[in-house]
Amino acid sequence: KAGVTQTPRYLIKTRGQQVTLSCSPISGHRSVSWYQQTPGQGLQFLFEYFSETQRNKGNFPGRFSGRQFSNSRSEMNVSTLELGDSALYLCASSLSGALADSYEQYFGPGTRLTVT
Amino acid sequence: AQTVTQSQPEMSVQEAETVTLSCTYDTSENNYYLFWYKQPPSRQMILVIRQEAYKQQNATENRFSVNFQKAAKSFSLKISDSQLGDTAMYFCAFMTNTGNQFYFGTGTSLTVIP
Repeated sequence: KAGVTQTPRYLIKTRGQQVTLSCSPISGHRSVSWYQQTPGQGLQFLFEYFSETQRNKGNFPGRFSGRQFSNSRSEMNVSTLELGDSALYLCASSLSGALADSYEQYFGPGTRLTVT
Repeated sequence: AQTVTQSQPEMSVQEAETVTLSCTYDTSENNYYLFWYKQPPSRQMILVIRQEAYKQQNATENRFSVNFQKAAKSFSLKISDSQLGDTAMYFCAFMTNTGNQFYFGTGTSLTVIP
């Protein structure tokens, strides 16, 4: 079974631009979560989608948005980029079912975003 | 609110020795799940071990084991017979029973010294 894939792997943008990151979950996984990882802050939760609905949202400004498609693929968008948005953006998928082991999150390799 | 604290930003251990990484958490929930994830340098994050809060028995996966103290809200990871491939950032994570959101600690960078 293929793992979680994220595209692109690396991205360089300038301040004020917008960016869209993509995540394809493991086949059969319906939950997709997004995290921002920086050296100083660790992993910070952005949002989680399940069956095309946002179930949870972290404490990030409205410039950060996402969506999930019917095939469970998810996109994350950041508008009006700021220097502080430079980070590794991780996507994770899970079955999110009723069993404990279905809650495990499987992470993608991440998208390294650099804002100049 | 749920919080996860890893008080050891960096640790090192000699190859073949044993090391323990600490993690404490705060929650008012009674049912939840705890995880340790490993992120090797420039590589993908992978699950190391999982513990259900309703289970009193500590989880074990080969050389990795946990010491889960529910009353103390402590969840430490013990790595036995440390190997060079264990060098990585280790994250402790907490998830409520609803299963919608993970809370991660800030990580412990472990270096295994040959």
